[in-house]
Amino acid sequence: DTEVTQTPKHLVMGMTNKKSLKCEQHMGHRAMYWYKQKAKKPPELMFVYSYEKLSINESVPSRFSPECPNSSLLNLHLHALQPEDSALYLCASSQSDKYFQPQHFGDGTRLSIL
Amino acid sequence: GENVEQHPSTLSVQEGDSAVIKCTYSDSASNYFPWYKQELGKRPQLIIDIRSNVGEKKDQRIAVTLNKTAKHFSLHITETQPEDSAVYFCAASMDNYGQNFVFGPGTRLSVLP
Repeated sequence: DTEVTQTPKHLVMGMTNKKSLKCEQHMGHRAMYWYKQKAKKPPELMFVYSYEKLSINESVPSRFSPECPNSSLLNLHLHALQPEDSALYLCASSQSDKYFQPQHFGDGTRLSIL
Repeated sequence: GENVEQHPSTLSVQEGDSAVIKCTYSDSASNYFPWYKQELGKRPQLIIDIRSNVGEKKDQRIAVTLNKTAKHFSLHITETQPEDSAVYFCAASMDNYGQNFVFGPGTRLSVLP
């Protein structure tokens, strides 16, 4: 069973649309992540939230806006995306108060920009 | 910043044979090295990890070895089965909490029946 739940599984949107991706975990993890994965490529880190505060932003364009409303939820707000933003968007979580903890991934949202 | 290389990019083995995938990293400060398996259309799943103070770790058919001096670590899968077919990613993390992963480019493993 997937312990990190992402919705929607698929999303098709136009370049002028505004949409949001959602991620939820109930493992008590206090670190949550957004990754972008293009076909046949590894996941690329976009954002890290630690204790609901943005701790890492890997120079992601402002058309991607993350939000962490509480310790279980992570959102990614999308606006004015480009065709090259089409990808699989993965959410992950990990314990942030212990050393060397693995990240647990959700199934991802497959995003297509028309 | 950290750079992780991974070889080979593709690997085909006969069922029952062993498979070895090797990764090298650039930053000697990296101290945590997980391996993920990603089947087609699925999420990456952790299969094994190793910390910098350990040289080898084994979990049934899967083992990982770490050579800190040479800055490389390897995944070993013995008695391969068709369900081992997937893309395998290594990763390295410099921060103690493992929050900033840098992934290798991946190895596509095919186990032929």
